[in-house]
Amino acid sequence: EPEVTQTPSHQVTQMGQEVILRCVPISNHLYFYWYRQILGQKVEFLVSFYNNEISEKSEIFDDQFSVERPDGSNFTLKIRSTKLEDSAMYFCASSEGTSGLGEQYFGPGTRLTVT
Amino acid sequence: KQEVTQIPAALSVPEGENLVLNCSFTDSAIYNLQWFRQDPGKGLTSLLLIQSSQREQTSGRLNASLDKSSGRSTLYIAASQPGDSATYLCAVPHKLVFGAGTILRVKS
Repeated sequence: EPEVTQTPSHQVTQMGQEVILRCVPISNHLYFYWYRQILGQKVEFLVSFYNNEISEKSEIFDDQFSVERPDGSNFTLKIRSTKLEDSAMYFCASSEGTSGLGEQYFGPGTRLTVT
Repeated sequence: KQEVTQIPAALSVPEGENLVLNCSFTDSAIYNLQWFRQDPGKGLTSLLLIQSSQREQTSGRLNASLDKSSGRSTLYIAASQPGDSATYLCAVPHKLVFGAGTILRVKS
């Protein structure tokens, strides 16, 4: 069964460093998403991406964050100049269709630890 | 702004019991509602997506209902098993807004 994959599973970085989290969405899906979950808190929407551009972003997704689909399979989240409060589980998701309202399938997540 | 609430926050039941998890949302203008399962330290597994035009959706021992007018959804789990122990989350699109989840423990 097709699934969303994410690498790395755990990333440790020092405050102020840049990190890139990678995702491979399900191959025929057209909508891609990033979410994060700070330990003990709700899952929060960061950004959605469709047709090679950001469809929607939350207040959390400020200039520190960027997303890119560098090729036909990968979808990346870049965090510039990481802060301690960026420590969280980051989930990538994808859905088929063009509305962004389809069932979303999540990857296993990348645990980001900023020290 | 859409807000999603889940009750109860935690539930502990003996194996074999039928149980109901509740989800409420403040904005009834939704397209669908999705239920997920999250195991500790793991990702989210989609369980069911129920469209706004549907009242119920079933998958195995799971049954989800949706009442848009009252802003509520329930997830019914029949004949619970220890392997059902996890956190159950509901979310409404399109940028999914999640509830805090119900932590379920099924005791053998």
